[in-house]
Amino acid sequence: TQLLEQSPQFLSIQEGENLTVYCNSSSVFSSLQWYRQEPGEGPVLLVTVVTGGEVKKLKRLTFQFGDARKDSSLHITAAQPGDTGLYLCAGPPRYSGGGADGLTFGKGTHLIIQP
Amino acid sequence: NAGVTQTPKFRILKIGQSMTLQCAQDMNHNYMYWYRQDPGMGLKLIYYSVGAGITDKGEVPNGYNVSRSTTEDFPLRLELAAPSQTSVYFCASSTAPQQFFGPGTRLTVL
Repeated sequence: TQLLEQSPQFLSIQEGENLTVYCNSSSVFSSLQWYRQEPGEGPVLLVTVVTGGEVKKLKRLTFQFGDARKDSSLHITAAQPGDTGLYLCAGPPRYSGGGADGLTFGKGTHLIIQP
Repeated sequence: NAGVTQTPKFRILKIGQSMTLQCAQDMNHNYMYWYRQDPGMGLKLIYYSVGAGITDKGEVPNGYNVSRSTTEDFPLRLELAAPSQTSVYFCASSTAPQQFFGPGTRLTVL
């Protein structure tokens, strides 16, 4: 079983600060996705990274896929209260045909941005 | 487009009761999934389907059954509810690898 370990599990910071959360595995993933989930709702896809070393930016969010495709990070610059939520990383199992068989999820990072 | 819809939103069951969680999507996706999310445990795959008439087990299928008679619908059946099935259930559809999730059903078994 390919596991995705996310850290930290909980993070509470002040508005305007920067932060980085991590998603690590001992296994190689063909791609990794980051989702954000708000209370009472389903996860919503933020980004998919596919190539080792890839960096993608989404406004104040920067996503990086490790060179060996075993890890990923999410960096938020100048965090806002609207960034509050559960951030999940996920990837298709090695045997999967690109994710059609479902995704393996990490346990998530609970992020709280205080005004 | 409504996307992925799930009913009911909340449900309380007694031990041993049965129920069906409904899921529908209007995006004409072939791939559909059921996950459960327990506190602090992330999402775990229960069952999935790659097209009408085709279903397969995920990581935690015990105690559940599914069917896929149409592209749009993918119901999840609990036959004999147990307290261990207390969870939030999410249905998703996919243009792999991106998945689109429904709003979830919060199920409590007492």
